[in-house]
Amino acid sequence: DAKTTQPNSMESNEEEPVHLPCNHSTISGTDYIHWYRQLPSQGPEYVIHGLTSNVNNRMASLAIAEDRKSSTLILHRATLRDAAVYYCILRSAPIIQGAQKLVFGQGTRLTINP
Amino acid sequence: EAGVTQSPTHLIKTRGQQATLRCSPISGHTSVYWYQQALGLGLQFLLWYDEGEERNRGNFPPRFSGRQFPNYSSELNVNALELEDSALYLCASTQTNPSGNTIYFGEGSWLTVV
Repeated sequence: DAKTTQPNSMESNEEEPVHLPCNHSTISGTDYIHWYRQLPSQGPEYVIHGLTSNVNNRMASLAIAEDRKSSTLILHRATLRDAAVYYCILRSAPIIQGAQKLVFGQGTRLTINP
Repeated sequence: EAGVTQSPTHLIKTRGQQATLRCSPISGHTSVYWYQQALGLGLQFLLWYDEGEERNRGNFPPRFSGRQFPNYSSELNVNALELEDSALYLCASTQTNPSGNTIYFGEGSWLTVV
């Protein structure tokens, strides 16, 4: 499985933008980049995903490097409720026997200061 | 639409016993993933079921097993429980293809082994 690398922790202030980086230098051409976040004592929740182009939704934006070896999750105005562990994972296709483990790294623990 | 549901929410077992955890995926989803998350740690991939078959498993001993039923619900069994099996067990479901599909997680089952 292609692996991702994220900083262990990041800190930001409320109402400021946050840029969470993810490196995935071994990404293959058909791997989608997914971001999830996990609030304390909850299951992970979907944030955003993309393949090649930058993506925007109501929660965040995803900026994907031209060579696709890295991506950045952007929270435009962080709130205290955004404090969570953010996971960047790669989801491969087509389905290959033995693939699709959906391996999560340690993620980035985001702290938001009031 | 109901999300991924897991039961029980909490389970306390003694060492050596067996635990059974259940997961109902979102309607229409055929793939189910199981993860173990020990306190303060990341998600460790356990098992992946798709269309009723085990497609992949993580680095866990054989006493971790499971199955997927014809209605795509799934069961995780942990035999000969050990203290270090105490963790949050998360189930996730998704459509198998394409890989851009979102993965939805349940709220998890807390297993405590005493």
